[in-house]
Amino acid sequence: QKEVEQNSGPLSVPEGAIASLNCTYSDRGSQSFFWYRQYSGKSPELIMSIYSNGDKEDGRFTAQLNKASQYVSLLIRDSQPSDSATYLCAVNVDNDMRFGAGTRLTVKP
Amino acid sequence: DAGITQSPRYKITETGRQVTLMCHQTWSHSYMFWYRQDLGHGLRLIYYSAAADITDKGEVPDGYVVSRSKTENFPLTLESATRSQTSVYFCASSQDEQYFGPGTRLTVT
Repeated sequence: QKEVEQNSGPLSVPEGAIASLNCTYSDRGSQSFFWYRQYSGKSPELIMSIYSNGDKEDGRFTAQLNKASQYVSLLIRDSQPSDSATYLCAVNVDNDMRFGAGTRLTVKP
Repeated sequence: DAGITQSPRYKITETGRQVTLMCHQTWSHSYMFWYRQDLGHGLRLIYYSAAADITDKGEVPDGYVVSRSKTENFPLTLESATRSQTSVYFCASSQDEQYFGPGTRLTVT
């Protein structure tokens, strides 16, 4: 079992819809959780961090964390074609950052 | 400008040659990391450093050497490059959230 699992996609949503990206992790000692966006040919860019159970909202992005279920998700509201990218889930355990393989999102105009 | 930079951005080298990839950060972050990213494997940790003069192996360290004599620099050396080391290399730094450099695309012929 991989330590951080994501559906590889591709996930395709129409412009204006909500995109839902999911991630599960195996280490219950995980302390902090992150979502990165990576455009093709570019480096990963941090878009959200979440540290405690519940929701955290930042603009069109909402991160959700459920430590009991070992689950973290990212919702993108009012999806735009510019949101088309690969989204990486990352989990930090004692400064050991573990990345999922990423979910490729396509937002169709 | 503040941030994290990598050089060179692109490099072509021959099998057996020594290559050094440079990484420089201006945030004074304690931790620095080297990853490689290949299709089908996602981000894989090569080496990391918790502070100057402290380095440790990651998931795929074979064939690589690192040093960290100054907090801001973390060079990665391929002692004798092989074709399997053709990849995109990302440097990152963190206190908790990781921030990535722009990457170096290395081709070993």
